[in-house]
Amino acid sequence: DAGVIQSPRHEVTEMGQEVTLRCKPISGHNSLFWYRQTMMRGLELLIYFNNNVPIDDSGMPEDRFSAKMPNASFSTLKIQPSEPRDSAVYFCASRDSPYNEQFFGPGTRLTVL
Amino acid sequence: SQQGEEDPQALSIQEGENATMNCSYKTSINNLQWYRQNSGRGLVHLILIRSNEREKHSGRLRVTLDTSKKSSSLLITASRAADTASYFCATDADNNAGNMLTFGGGTRLMVKP
Repeated sequence: DAGVIQSPRHEVTEMGQEVTLRCKPISGHNSLFWYRQTMMRGLELLIYFNNNVPIDDSGMPEDRFSAKMPNASFSTLKIQPSEPRDSAVYFCASRDSPYNEQFFGPGTRLTVL
Repeated sequence: SQQGEEDPQALSIQEGENATMNCSYKTSINNLQWYRQNSGRGLVHLILIRSNEREKHSGRLRVTLDTSKKSSSLLITASRAADTASYFCATDADNNAGNMLTFGGGTRLMVKP
């Protein structure tokens, strides 16, 4: 299994541009999580899905952030418009059931100039 | 909000020494997990200990859990320079219908050769 796949691995964009991050969870995993990590704030849970349905998006910082999971093998996190304070590493993770381990992707390092 | 809080925030030791990291949490849990993160990489699962277990071993790792004190410790014995990383604890709440882990702020471990 290839593990959790994220793309792109690095993204540099200018303030005001739209950014779309992509994630492919491990096949058979029915929960998907989006995290953001910065030095200042540490690891923050943004949103998670169970069986493609968003369960808790209370971590999404602003309306500029949105996430979708159109099917069991794909999810996107979109920032529109992006701002410099959105610069961070964004991780996607998946797990197959409650009370098991979570598998993380390699992350997308986003820099907004 | 973060339920798990690691202590210390940073730890520097010499190769061959043991490293102990602690984690405290607030609510009733089903299990507690430890993850490792190398710089610039995603988190990797190390070990999971369930609420009815008190101690668990995996290679040079030893995890203890004290549910009465709501605390856990991770011991790395005979540390190596390659153990340099950040270590996070994460908890699965007892009534985790939502299937989310709650991560702490992490301990940054540096092992000097």
